[in-house]
Amino acid sequence: QKEVEQDPGPLSVPEGAIVSLNCTYSNSAFQYFMWYRQYSRKGPELLMYTYSSGNKEDGRFTAQVDKSSKYISLFIRDSQPSDSATYLCAMNLRGANDMRFGAGTRLTVKP
Amino acid sequence: DSGVTQTPKHLITATGQRVTLRCSPRSGDLSVYWYQQSLDQGLQFLIQYYNGEERAKGNILERFSAQQFPDLHSELNLSSLELGDSALYFCASSVAPPINEQFFGPGTRLTVL
Repeated sequence: QKEVEQDPGPLSVPEGAIVSLNCTYSNSAFQYFMWYRQYSRKGPELLMYTYSSGNKEDGRFTAQVDKSSKYISLFIRDSQPSDSATYLCAMNLRGANDMRFGAGTRLTVKP
Repeated sequence: DSGVTQTPKHLITATGQRVTLRCSPRSGDLSVYWYQQSLDQGLQFLIQYYNGEERAKGNILERFSAQQFPDLHSELNLSSLELGDSALYFCASSVAPPINEQFFGPGTRLTVL
């Protein structure tokens, strides 16, 4: 079993839809949770960063962490074609220098 | 543009050869991370340097090595290349570890024939 599990998709939604992306993990010691967006042929770009459990909102993006279920989510409201990319979850331990990434979910938002 | 630069963008070489990938971190960032991204393995952490010193090692093969120079740029050396080493190699930088806000470069696409 991988430490971080993420459904690779692909996921296709119409413009304006609410998108839900999820990851599960096995190591209960993870404390920092990140979501990266990666456009084709580009490097990952940090979208959201949360510490421990709870919600964090930034514009159309909301990140949720449920440590009791070892489950994290990224919600995208009013999705746009420009949101079409691969979304990677990542997490690490407090004080650790190496992040563990999910496989990434490929999202397409159709106009 | 993240401010992290990587050269070259593309590299095509043969099995058994040795290549060097170069990374310049964002201005002010002291920590550099190297990652390998392949279709079957996803994004894998290789190694991290902070201000010239190795800080963490991930799934880095013995055939691979890295260093960070006094001007903070870093090089990843891959030797005795195999077909399975074909992948995207990313460099990321951050102000200092353990900081989770890492900024990724555009990557080097390595093809081993």
